Amino acid sequence: DAGVIQSPRHEVTEMGQEVTLRCKPISGHNSLFWYRQTMMRGLELLIYFNNNVPIDDSGMPEDRFSAKMPNASFSTLKIQPSEPRDSAVYFCASSSWTSGNTDTQYFGPGTRLTVL
Amino acid sequence: AQSVTQLDSHVSVSEGTPVLLRCNYSSSYSPSLFWYVQHPNKGLQLLLKYTSAATLVKGINGFEAEFKKSETSFHLTKPSAHMSDAAEYFCVVSNTGFQKLVFGTGTRLLVSP
Repeated sequence: DAGVIQSPRHEVTEMGQEVTLRCKPISGHNSLFWYRQTMMRGLELLIYFNNNVPIDDSGMPEDRFSAKMPNASFSTLKIQPSEPRDSAVYFCASSSWTSGNTDTQYFGPGTRLTVL
Repeated sequence: AQSVTQLDSHVSVSEGTPVLLRCNYSSSYSPSLFWYVQHPNKGLQLLLKYTSAATLVKGINGFEAEFKKSETSFHLTKPSAHMSDAAEYFCVVSNTGFQKLVFGTGTRLLVSP
């Protein structure tokens, strides 16, 4: 199994530009999570999906952030326009969700985003 | 609401000596508890998981953790540290049956020769 795949691994952009981060979950998993990791705030859950449907986006910092999951094997996290304070490592994770359980989440290698 | 406190931001040990990383949790319901490890510039890897079965949980690479409800603790231990154990370790809590994980602030483990 290839694990969770994220692209790009590194992204450097200028303030005001649109940034799109991509994630391919583990095949067969039906839940997908987007996290952000910073020195100041640690690991924060941004949004998660069950069966391609957004369940909780309360962690999305503001309207500049949006996430989609058009099918079971692909998700995007978009920032438009980007700002320097968005610089962080963004992780995608997936799990095989079963109701009533807290299932193990498997993390991708992350995308390191730098906004100049 | 749930929360987790990792009591040490840094722990330094010598290779071959025991490792103890401390974690206290708070949970409104029956908790699920995890330890994840993050090596530099890598993603997070699951070490072990507790979900109300045996209170002593064995994980990968010789790590184990004991769930103590009376102390609301879930400390991570390893009998003998290896240089490759040097990494950041995260204690994580969730209310069992829920998907949202709450991460601790992390403990950086330093292993010297």
